[in-house]
Amino acid sequence: DAKTTQPTSMDCAEGRAANLPCNHSTISGNEYVYWYRQIHSQGPQYIIHGLKNNETNEMASLIITEDRKSSTLILPHATLRDTAVYYCIVRVARRSYNTDKLIFGTGTRLQVFP
Amino acid sequence: EPEVTQTPSHQVTQMGQEVILRCVPISNHLYFYWYRQILGQKVEFLVSFYNNEISEKSEIFDDQFSVERPDGSNFTLKIRSTKLEDSAMYFCASRAELVAGVQETQYFGPGTRLLVL
Repeated sequence: DAKTTQPTSMDCAEGRAANLPCNHSTISGNEYVYWYRQIHSQGPQYIIHGLKNNETNEMASLIITEDRKSSTLILPHATLRDTAVYYCIVRVARRSYNTDKLIFGTGTRLQVFP
Repeated sequence: EPEVTQTPSHQVTQMGQEVILRCVPISNHLYFYWYRQILGQKVEFLVSFYNNEISEKSEIFDDQFSVERPDGSNFTLKIRSTKLEDSAMYFCASRAELVAGVQETQYFGPGTRLLVL
């Protein structure tokens, strides 16, 4: 089972920031938080990941709480094309661990409206 | 930007027939994966593949499934005798080698929609 909990759905007005929360209270010290999204039935698209520091890239920002039990994905200026299902996934990252399946939950369905 | 490609985009087959789904991973990647998503359900892990052998497989990946890297560029998923419940989107993913002890990100292809009649 997925180790994360996300709201089922959220709405956001176009041009506003979309803040998508994720709870991962059982996360281990060597687990990263990854975010992917899936538009319609396309392949999951990588967005961002982090361990304990906040991260930012051209797509989004990731804010991880100090205790690492939760995080928030921020899309700073949502557009209609950001309408998708967003998945928060915790994943082990160890030097000698060659298998690293992603366990997807049901994600958050973000609807961006005009 | 390099991307994972998959062919065909759609495949319709009769129950009991064999199908082969093809993937071309990103060129310098060494780890390969198949996932599937039944309509309206979660994305599910099927199998991971490294160094020409299966690293891990799920309960879904039974004897009807097999994977192969027949050459230096393709990665295939074969279903020997398809069942109605095999109808799903099948996604291939790949990732690079470890970097500074940290696993690299998995990148997904656009998927193959398989319909078994």
